[in-house]
Amino acid sequence: GDSVTQMEGPVTLSEEAFLTINCTYTATGYPSLFWYVQYPGEGLQLLLKATKADDKGSNKGFEATYRKETTSFHLEKGSVQVSDSAVYFCARLNQAGTALIFGKGTTLSVSS
Amino acid sequence: DAMVIQNPRYQVTQFGKPVTLSCSQTLNHNVMYWYQQKSSQAPKLLFHYYDKDFNNEADTPDNFQSRRPNTSFCFLDIRSPGLGDAAMYLCATSIGRGDGTDTQYFGPGTRLTVL
Repeated sequence: GDSVTQMEGPVTLSEEAFLTINCTYTATGYPSLFWYVQYPGEGLQLLLKATKADDKGSNKGFEATYRKETTSFHLEKGSVQVSDSAVYFCARLNQAGTALIFGKGTTLSVSS
Repeated sequence: DAMVIQNPRYQVTQFGKPVTLSCSQTLNHNVMYWYQQKSSQAPKLLFHYYDKDFNNEADTPDNFQSRRPNTSFCFLDIRSPGLGDAAMYLCATSIGRGDGTDTQYFGPGTRLTVL
């Protein structure tokens, strides 16, 4: 069935390091893809999205490209900050477009 | 700013005592969702409303109910909370385009504790 798989965490980085969080999906067709971020004790904030193949979503220095050949939507940032420490969820819409299917989340911890 | 608001942010209830969580939105979106997120897990959709049409997920327990009296408000009712219902409850909204490009916007969540 439809699913989203993202790399297991936690990911621990030093400030200014390069970040990659892998995400792959299974789907029939080309669903919209999303990255959400969740800070401790908070709800989910939309970080970026892509609605069709080859689209690149970007926000706050984060980027992800919708790659249909590899069914991937990896999240990248060139230089992480301590304030980026959070849980990151990759997600896709289900076929009906009515619900988000989430990956299990990846915890990022950035130290100064 | 247009937003999704959830009240209260923290709710404590007793085992078996009914509880209601509230969500409101100023986005004028057609669709409102309720998700349950247990500790260190991904959010799981309980149900959603498209306007006044209620859509329940197949595996949502009967203990969970919802009401949407108008476009702006949606409530989650837990009729007899059990210890396993302790979780963060997230409300989300979307325009409801129906073309597979909808984006869901989340509120800050209500953390429910069951004693």
